[in-house]
Amino acid sequence: AQSVAQPEDQVNVAEGNPLTVKCTYSVSGNPYLFWYVQYPNRGLQFLLKYITGDNLVKGSYGFEAEFNKSQTSFHLKKPSALVSDSALYFCAVRDPYSGAGSYQLTFGKGTKLSVIP
Amino acid sequence: DSGVTQTPKHLITATGQRVTLRCSPRSGDLSVYWYQQSLDQGLQFLIQYYNGEERAKGNILERFSAQQFPDLHSELNLSSLELGDSALYFCASSTPSAGTGELFFGEGSRLTVL
Repeated sequence: AQSVAQPEDQVNVAEGNPLTVKCTYSVSGNPYLFWYVQYPNRGLQFLLKYITGDNLVKGSYGFEAEFNKSQTSFHLKKPSALVSDSALYFCAVRDPYSGAGSYQLTFGKGTKLSVIP
Repeated sequence: DSGVTQTPKHLITATGQRVTLRCSPRSGDLSVYWYQQSLDQGLQFLIQYYNGEERAKGNILERFSAQQFPDLHSELNLSSLELGDSALYFCASSTPSAGTGELFFGEGSRLTVL
């Protein structure tokens, strides 16, 4: 079974500084990897995904993520953090061998990002 | 706005009661997924329906059940409620044509069991 680990419960970064939110995964075969963001009292919003191809994936709101197969990692990054980036971030993995039309995701526990003005 | 609609947004009930949560997927999406979000367990996949049929089952309790109707909306039924069932319940939908299967989430239904 696939799994996702987000080793940091909370990440604090100053506004304007680069940010990284870490994620490692475990899945048989080549993974489908996702990042979602959740603002307070809201649902999860899709940020970006890695399926295949370039290891650096660009997504919404200036976020990007780097896929590293040897380290089984998919860290989320942004060059310059904004206060409005403060939210809960979830990494997720889908088993590429799950049945046709079956796209359930396994999520990490989430990392709370706080951007300090 | 993801296009996924969930009702009610908030629900307060007592132990032993039964509630029904409703989800309307995005237009054209055939799959509906239910997730439970709690502080201690994080986001847990409960169950998936595809075009009216159960497709995958996760950590769903026997006291919980779901169905998807011909118009593709789905309902999650929670019965014999316990304090530990208090959580945020999310519905998500996806479209097979996406291939890679990102999910689109509703705003959630917050259930409080007293």
